[in-house]
Amino acid sequence: EAQVTQNPRYLITVTGKKLTVTCSQNMNHEYMSWYRQDPGLGLRQIYYSMNVEVTDKGDVPEGYKVSRKEKRNFPLILESPSPNQTSLYFCASSFDRNTLNTEAFFGQGTRLTVV
Amino acid sequence: DAKTTQPNSMESNEEEPVHLPCNHSTISGTDYIHWYRQLPSQGPEYVIHGLTSNVNNRMASLAIAEDRKSSTLILHRATLRDAAVYYCILRGSRSGNTGKLIFGQGTTLQVKP
Repeated sequence: EAQVTQNPRYLITVTGKKLTVTCSQNMNHEYMSWYRQDPGLGLRQIYYSMNVEVTDKGDVPEGYKVSRKEKRNFPLILESPSPNQTSLYFCASSFDRNTLNTEAFFGQGTRLTVV
Repeated sequence: DAKTTQPNSMESNEEEPVHLPCNHSTISGTDYIHWYRQLPSQGPEYVIHGLTSNVNNRMASLAIAEDRKSSTLILHRATLRDAAVYYCILRGSRSGNTGKLIFGQGTTLQVKP
């Protein structure tokens, strides 16, 4: 089954404690990205990757890092989480960035609370 | 980026058709019209997309106006499981980051039994 898998689904952490949210896709997609969803602000892109070892900033990259060492995995790293990073996070993948008429697949989401 | 405008909310009765409108008057000739939906506590889910012609799939139909400045997502028989936020999104090639989806506020669809 084609899917994007995120872990963990829920996470409560303390300010400053480094954490990683994993994302994996099984569709051999080139393009992967991370979004955060906040009430009243909708979904906003954090970082994206067009292929292995190619990553770039989205609209709200501050406080986040990513890596793309393998095609299937795209972890989101919060080196020093702060309360304003409390949010619902989604990983997404699609075939490639140039194909406008294909669909994107989203993970189930990770609800992060930073206290 | 081209903007889309959708009603904030709509209501429907179960087993009746639902027409969800979207205005995109600044659409360019190469922009695809995509629809996604987000069920409660889930990630966004692809519904349908099109460029110029009307499209049908197992989930819905997409009717695109002749001038492409508006489109309508049609759910032929709404079920309680169709209650979700529906997003109309334009995907174009203006920027290098063409994989990015720009989500607006969407339309919250309520389905009454």
